[in-house]
Amino acid sequence: DTGVSQDPRHKITKRGQNVTFRCDPISEHNRLYWYRQTLGQGPEFLTYFQNEAQLEKSRLLSDRFSAERPKGSFSTLEIQRTEQGDSAMYLCASSLTWGGDEQYFGPGTRLTVT
Amino acid sequence: KQEVTQIPAALSVPEGENLVLNCSFTDSAIYNLQWFRQDPGKGLTSLLLIQSSQREQTSGRLNASLDKSSGRSTLYIAASQPGDSATYLCAVSSGTYKYIFGTGTRLKVLA
Repeated sequence: DTGVSQDPRHKITKRGQNVTFRCDPISEHNRLYWYRQTLGQGPEFLTYFQNEAQLEKSRLLSDRFSAERPKGSFSTLEIQRTEQGDSAMYLCASSLTWGGDEQYFGPGTRLTVT
Repeated sequence: KQEVTQIPAALSVPEGENLVLNCSFTDSAIYNLQWFRQDPGKGLTSLLLIQSSQREQTSGRLNASLDKSSGRSTLYIAASQPGDSATYLCAVSSGTYKYIFGTGTRLKVLA
């Protein structure tokens, strides 16, 4: 297993378009997290799944954002009607409940909204 | 509401120096504290995880300590090398598993 993977690595889109990102966690990790990071800041929590259940959503996650984790494996994060303020690095992490919950991060998807 | 602060925001040291990065948090009821390294434009690399019942963890030249009662953690880097240049992030979880991150310390080790 090579770790958490994310696709695409970079995405440039025009304002108003919809975008979807994918995260493949480390296999058998039951928890999956999405964070957003803007330049010069630490990552901010967006949402978290335990298996296929979405257990917590940040107030940062407006109605334009939706995340899924069908069958408790990979996850997708969709942003509808993108705005320039959505430009950021979107990071995915996974952890194993009985492994001390150490979070392992993917390389991120850099979104630029023009 | 948990808040995490990292001091200093930036640090520049000559190669070979030992150094300490600081992390403080406002709510001592934490579950985990994890230190990460981030290279420019990249994701986060886990360095050390300290669970709430632990006082310190060590990996190679790195040592992280945790004092929950005072709301502090330190990351000690021994014999720094230019390859250690990166941003170091501290993150804490308070039972809901999500992490609250500090804004990081940008470290530059000069050859």
